[in-house]
Amino acid sequence: KQEVTQIPAALSVPEGENLVLNCSFTDSAIYNLQWFRQDPGKGLTSLLLIQSSQREQTSGRLNASLDKSSGRSTLYIAASQPGDSATYLCAVYQVEGGGADGLTFGKGTHLIIQP
Amino acid sequence: DGGITQSPKYLFRKEGQNVTLSCEQNLNHDAMYWYRQDPGQGLRLIYYSQIVNDFQKGDIAEGYSVSREKKESFPLTVTSAQKNPTAFYLCASSIRRQVGEQFFGPGTRLTVL
Repeated sequence: KQEVTQIPAALSVPEGENLVLNCSFTDSAIYNLQWFRQDPGKGLTSLLLIQSSQREQTSGRLNASLDKSSGRSTLYIAASQPGDSATYLCAVYQVEGGGADGLTFGKGTHLIIQP
Repeated sequence: DGGITQSPKYLFRKEGQNVTLSCEQNLNHDAMYWYRQDPGQGLRLIYYSQIVNDFQKGDIAEGYSVSREKKESFPLTVTSAQKNPTAFYLCASSIRRQVGEQFFGPGTRLTVL
């Protein structure tokens, strides 16, 4: 059964720093990997979707990479701002028969950007 | 504006009651999903639907039921058989199952009194 792990569980950095969030998954048979942002008490906002055939995706100050063979993805946030403070979730869509029929989520990285 | 709406935002249930959570999307997506989020745990899939009049159980379907009579609507009923229903419930949709981004609604927080 697919398992998704996110490290670190929590991170606090000063404003302006570049930072990397890590995501690993145990089964490389995935259709895609998606990064989300969740603010307290709110739904999930999709940040980036990487198809299994892709290596990376970029949106503004965000860059996500995917190494399917090693079961890893990273989310790079450049020039962090206090407004980036949120929980970041990584999720993979398993290929059929992998034991899951929707997204399998990690528990998230709780990010605080200090002004 | 295209998107997903969920109602109500907060819901309180007494012991033994069934309650229904609403999810509506105007994105013209075929696939819809229900997830449950508990503190300290990742989101877990309850039910999903690939197309109208079709739905399948996810990882934690016991005590829940769904219907998909219209493309844009996928309501979730939390029955009295669900022993620990207090959680944050999130509805999502995608163009088709396994294809494209999943977009999420704002969530419903259910509390058992």
